[in-house]
Amino acid sequence: EVQLVESGGGLVQPGGSLRLSCAASGFTFSSYGMNWVRQAPGKGLEWVSYISSTSSRMQYADSVRGRFTISRDNAKNSLYLQMNGLRAEDTAIYYCARDLRIGYDYVGWFDPWGQGTLVTVSS
Amino acid sequence: DIVMTQSPDSLAVSLGERATINCKSSQSVLYSSDNKNYLAWYQHKPGQPPKLLIYWASTRESGVPDRFSGSGSGTDFTLAISSLQAEDVAVYSCQQYYSGPFTFGPGTRVDIK
Repeated sequence: EVQLVESGGGLVQPGGSLRLSCAASGFTFSSYGMNWVRQAPGKGLEWVSYISSTSSRMQYADSVRGRFTISRDNAKNSLYLQMNGLRAEDTAIYYCARDLRIGYDYVGWFDPWGQGTLVTVSS
Repeated sequence: DIVMTQSPDSLAVSLGERATINCKSSQSVLYSSDNKNYLAWYQHKPGQPPKLLIYWASTRESGVPDRFSGSGSGTDFTLAISSLQAEDVAVYSCQQYYSGPFTFGPGTRVDIK
């Protein structure tokens, strides 16, 4: 079964840092690009970041560029999101999602998604 | 940035009836070199992660019931549920992957009337 499991969320003060992890199983992780997508309370989905299968290409939303860093470890079947300089507006459920646009280092459509991990930025 | 809008914000449909959701992009997501529309649709139920329904605007993901269909081209797209079932109650969102940032629509809530 294809599965993604996020971890690392929690309560952090403004200006603080968190590192999210996403453990993948049931598929050849090294063959797929991966994404982070978030959903703030009461809001729609917001794409955050993408990393290609070989880490040769990374992309970020303007709202997180310079503060967040996406990375992956194909040997560990894991995806990461290092979040620094956190702001109240970063409060959201963060989902990792597999990119199904195989063979291209470009963002496509996402499936499956993990269950998500909640990040709350508050003093 | 490409802005995605959806209409209506919510709708209530009787069981067995047709539900139609519209998605509009602020610029075309039709890529001329391959004549494909770079648009996907997702279903999001409370307490669950989003689920992919449709990609390339009209290609149904494997395992998705055929009552779900996508259509449209350029800037105007539609997701239709031909015969609404109780398990279809959810929020439906479109997403463009034509150019970054890869934006989602705000979502349309579908309920049973």
